[in-house]
Amino acid sequence: AQSVTQLDSQVPVFEEAPVELRCNYSSSVSVYLFWYVQYPNQGLQLLLKYLSGSTLVESINGFEAEFNKSQTSFHLRKPSVHISDTAEYFCAVSEVKNAGNMLTFGGGTRLMVKP
Amino acid sequence: DTAVSQTPKYLVTQMGNDKSIKCEQNLGHDTMYWYKQDSKKFLKIMFSYNNKELIINETVPNRFSPKSPDKAHLNLHINSLELGDSAVYFCASSLSYGTLNTGELFFGEGSRLTVL
Repeated sequence: AQSVTQLDSQVPVFEEAPVELRCNYSSSVSVYLFWYVQYPNQGLQLLLKYLSGSTLVESINGFEAEFNKSQTSFHLRKPSVHISDTAEYFCAVSEVKNAGNMLTFGGGTRLMVKP
Repeated sequence: DTAVSQTPKYLVTQMGNDKSIKCEQNLGHDTMYWYKQDSKKFLKIMFSYNNKELIINETVPNRFSPKSPDKAHLNLHINSLELGDSAVYFCASSLSYGTLNTGELFFGEGSRLTVL
């Protein structure tokens, strides 16, 4: 069975500071890895994903994540955060199951950007 | 056009009642899901349907009955509602075949169920 651990439930940070949201996973097979973002009272939106190839993946709004197979990690980083980045961030690992894709989510990390 | 849409967005009801949440996707996907998000924001899969066939059922009480009339719709019916059913329920969809299967799910905006 797969599992995802997000080590920090909340991360407070000042605007324009760098941030890292940590994610570790366990899986016995090759995985697809994802970061989803949930803004207040909204659904989940895909932020970025790792399928194969380059271990560093980037989003259009300045976030990046690095797949580290030896450490089974997929940490999310941004060099300078904005107030608008305040949201809940979920790391997820995908497993193909019975012709469906079962996403297993971590517990989420609330990023709180302060002015 | 909304890709994955759920109705209603908010639902407040009494214990013991029966309620339904509807979901529709216009992405042409063949697989749909229901996830439950509890008060601590923890997300857990409940069901998945592929081409109207149930393929994932994660130990959900049988008071919950999903129904998929076609591959673009997946509805969730809940009988005899309990306090612990209060949560946000998310519908999602994906493509499940071949090289288009990236594991990515597309989510609706959620339906917040409050049981009093």
